[in-house]
Amino acid sequence: SQTIHQWPATLVQPVGSPLSLECTVEGTSNPNLYWYRQAAGRGLQLLFYSVGIGQISSEVPQNLSASRPQDRQFILSSKKLLLSDSGFYLCAWGEGADYEQYFGPGTRLTVT
Amino acid sequence: AQSVTQLDSQVPVFEEAPVELRCNYSSSVSVYLFWYVQYPNQGLQLLLKYLSGSTLVKGINGFEAEFNKSQTSFHLRKPSVHISDTAEYFCAVSTPSNFGNEKLTFGTGTRLTIIP
Repeated sequence: SQTIHQWPATLVQPVGSPLSLECTVEGTSNPNLYWYRQAAGRGLQLLFYSVGIGQISSEVPQNLSASRPQDRQFILSSKKLLLSDSGFYLCAWGEGADYEQYFGPGTRLTVT
Repeated sequence: AQSVTQLDSQVPVFEEAPVELRCNYSSSVSVYLFWYVQYPNQGLQLLLKYLSGSTLVKGINGFEAEFNKSQTSFHLRKPSVHISDTAEYFCAVSTPSNFGNEKLTFGTGTRLTIIP
């Protein structure tokens, strides 16, 4: 069966510091991968998605970036965090056949 | 582009009472519709989905939803709720993108609170 992992689970970082969040998927090949952000009291905002290694599409201009160095690994990064980057970050994967996406447990980021 | 509207941000319901969470969508093409549930500090879990066929879709935990194309709605229902149903519920719509990759557009969510 397929599983999706995210780490760290929680993170507190000062403004201006770098960020690296990691997501890995097991039990499937060539999945579509997604990064979402959920701000307090708001819905989910799609940040990036990837249909293959090295292929990244950005949905919202911001100081975040994403990379997919391996088939089942998706990384969200920032060189300098802003206060507005605080939120709950969710990684998801999908195979496209049934349009469903499967979500990881999330990372709660607090920028101080 | 598609969009999703969840009119109710919060819905309080007494235990064992029925509940309906409303979802309306907007799209110029055919869509696929989903309901997800999110428990505190967790990821999202799929409750049910509509891709085609019967407009009444049954999901996990006793939930069901009905696709109404004329009203562009996909309301979620449960005949009798339990304390454990307290969570955030998200409606989502999908449509193929240029890359053949499917993206989900989410509503802002409805917080369901069950009152003992």
